[in-house]
Amino acid sequence: QVQLVQSGAEMKKPGSSVKVSCKASGATFSSYTLSWVRQAPGQGLEWMGRLIPMLGTVNYAQTFQGRLTITADESTSTAYMDLSSLRSEDTAVYYCARDSGVGLFDFWGQGTLVTVSS
Amino acid sequence: EIVLTQSPGTLSLSPGERATLSCRASQSVSSSNLAWYQQKPGQAPRLFIYGASSRATGIPDRFGGSGSGTDFTLTISRLEPEDFAVYYCQQYGSSPPTFGPGTKVDIK
Repeated sequence: QVQLVQSGAEMKKPGSSVKVSCKASGATFSSYTLSWVRQAPGQGLEWMGRLIPMLGTVNYAQTFQGRLTITADESTSTAYMDLSSLRSEDTAVYYCARDSGVGLFDFWGQGTLVTVSS
Repeated sequence: EIVLTQSPGTLSLSPGERATLSCRASQSVSSSNLAWYQQKPGQAPRLFIYGASSRATGIPDRFGGSGSGTDFTLTISRLEPEDFAVYYCQQYGSSPPTFGPGTKVDIK
């Protein structure tokens, strides 16, 4: 059974960056794809990007190009989502999710609330 | 990108009733790569249906998915108290994967 455990809530100032971690267990980390999905308060779900550790490949949604960096440390089975130039509209819960490789998300982390406020 | 619309926005029903949720895509979803997720307050989404009609592990058979092309449906045959939640459809047939805005099923 795959488990994804994310880092805790963050409070950030506009213009700063945030880095959220997602530690995986229960399967070989390099064997699957990890995506990041966010959800603004009271809103729907938005796919941000994915990392394929085995291939070292990263895909980003157009909306986040230039601001988003997704990385992984295979030695600790941990993925990271780094979002820069934060603005108030980035206030959201950020989820990591195991991705089938084509965008089907079968296991999710518990979510990390990122609040951007001056 | 494929835009998904869901209707109704809110469905108010009583336990034991049948729920029918609709998801419409702006263009055909390839290979019926359409999923449904359930989300409860304060929780992460949970995969319920994939491939338009296949139930994920542990999902009871009162949940059924159908449809193809641009029109998809999630049916809950008899609502149980734990089924009251928000349901999102999602297409993963083309990149980027996109989600609908959700249908809230609440207790009448």
